[in-house]
Amino acid sequence: DTGVSQNPRHKITKRGQNVTFRCDPISEHNRLYWYRQTLGQGPEFLTYFQNEAQLEKSRLLSDRFSAERPKGSFSTLEIQRTEQGDSAMYLCASSWGTGVGNTIYFGEGSWLTVV
Amino acid sequence: GENVEQHPSTLSVQEGDSAVIKCTYSDSASNYFPWYKQELGKRPQLIIDIRSNVGEKKDQRIAVTLNKTAKHFSLHITETQPEDSAVYFCAATSNDYKLSFGAGTTVTVRA
Repeated sequence: DTGVSQNPRHKITKRGQNVTFRCDPISEHNRLYWYRQTLGQGPEFLTYFQNEAQLEKSRLLSDRFSAERPKGSFSTLEIQRTEQGDSAMYLCASSWGTGVGNTIYFGEGSWLTVV
Repeated sequence: GENVEQHPSTLSVQEGDSAVIKCTYSDSASNYFPWYKQELGKRPQLIIDIRSNVGEKKDQRIAVTLNKTAKHFSLHITETQPEDSAVYFCAATSNDYKLSFGAGTTVTVRA
């Protein structure tokens, strides 16, 4: 499968612990996105990268969240001092090019449960 | 920011019948409207999209219509099949990176 790859697929952690998710986009896609999805809701935009530059962060991304995309390839999303409200599925996506209408391809997500 | 509302939240149809899902958006600058299908535990997958310079687009059994004046767009699935059962999300954007999604419609096709 040459689609967007995410790991781990599932993570259960205790409140206060740090977690990190990894995303490998489709090869040569210059844009990479992170979205969050809770049960019964559509995905919500968190942040995106064009190559290695993080160009926008949603207000949903508190100071406890940090995302990186070193060298413009894979990306990591780290959540520090997790809270129960962080429980959600974290979706990574990627696309090629700029301009409206470029297809955004999603990964299968990383489920986070904070207990 | 953009606000997208989607109706209905659940839809049950008999196999072979049509299904229609409607979305409204708030930002008149929105110009790209994709629809994603998400099966349980799977990734959202793009099934069809439409740009603001087009009023209707069709791909086999799936069609999307856009009314820019009223700021609403709809997904039409004809001759529904059991494999059409999934959650469908509409989305809108006025830029090229931030999609605003509706809350989703769970479609169940009864055999």
